[in-house]
Amino acid sequence: DAGVIQSPRHEVTEMGQEVTLRCKPISGHDYLFWYRQTMMRGLELLIYFNNNVPIDDSGMPEDRFSAKMPNASFSTLKIQPSEPRDSAVYFCASSYGRAANTEAFFGQGTRLTVV
Amino acid sequence: QQPVQSPQAVILREGEDAVINCSSSKALYSVHWYRQKHGEAPVFLMILLKGGEQKGHDKISASFNEKKQQSSLYLTASQLSYSGTYFCGTEDNYGQNFVFGPGTRLSVLP
Repeated sequence: DAGVIQSPRHEVTEMGQEVTLRCKPISGHDYLFWYRQTMMRGLELLIYFNNNVPIDDSGMPEDRFSAKMPNASFSTLKIQPSEPRDSAVYFCASSYGRAANTEAFFGQGTRLTVV
Repeated sequence: QQPVQSPQAVILREGEDAVINCSSSKALYSVHWYRQKHGEAPVFLMILLKGGEQKGHDKISASFNEKKQQSSLYLTASQLSYSGTYFCGTEDNYGQNFVFGPGTRLSVLP
């Protein structure tokens, strides 16, 4: 398997524009996580899915953020409208089983810059 | 609630040892350790479950003291490749609420 694949690797957009980040988890993994990483706040869990169903979205900062997982091999994180404070690296991770006794595999991340 | 990591940063010479600590104010079910190199994704190191585990591979090992609600990561005879930021992640006693600590930046110099 090629690992967790995220696209794009880099995104630069203007404030107010819609941004869509994409993730393909490792085949067979039943959990998918979206994280945001900034210098100020570190690694924050935004939302996670189990078998394509959102389980906990309490980390999603605002209604401007939404995430979907239409099938086992694809997930999106959308920001609409984007703001400069959304600039961060967004990681997608997947695992087989919940975090308690399994490792999560991270994608290479999408570096988002909102100007 | 985010666990606390100490130290925030450490600089070593190749061959020296280091200890990174992770503590929580809540009872813990598991502690996870990841390393992230600059510009890369976090990479899994190990998981310790409650019961007072100790684990290790190569020259990196860890312990978990559930009574003290803390875990320590031990890096022995550090190598240049050990440089990076080390994160602990914790789950509370109900297997929920996984959260990463703020990270410890480790720099190994030749």
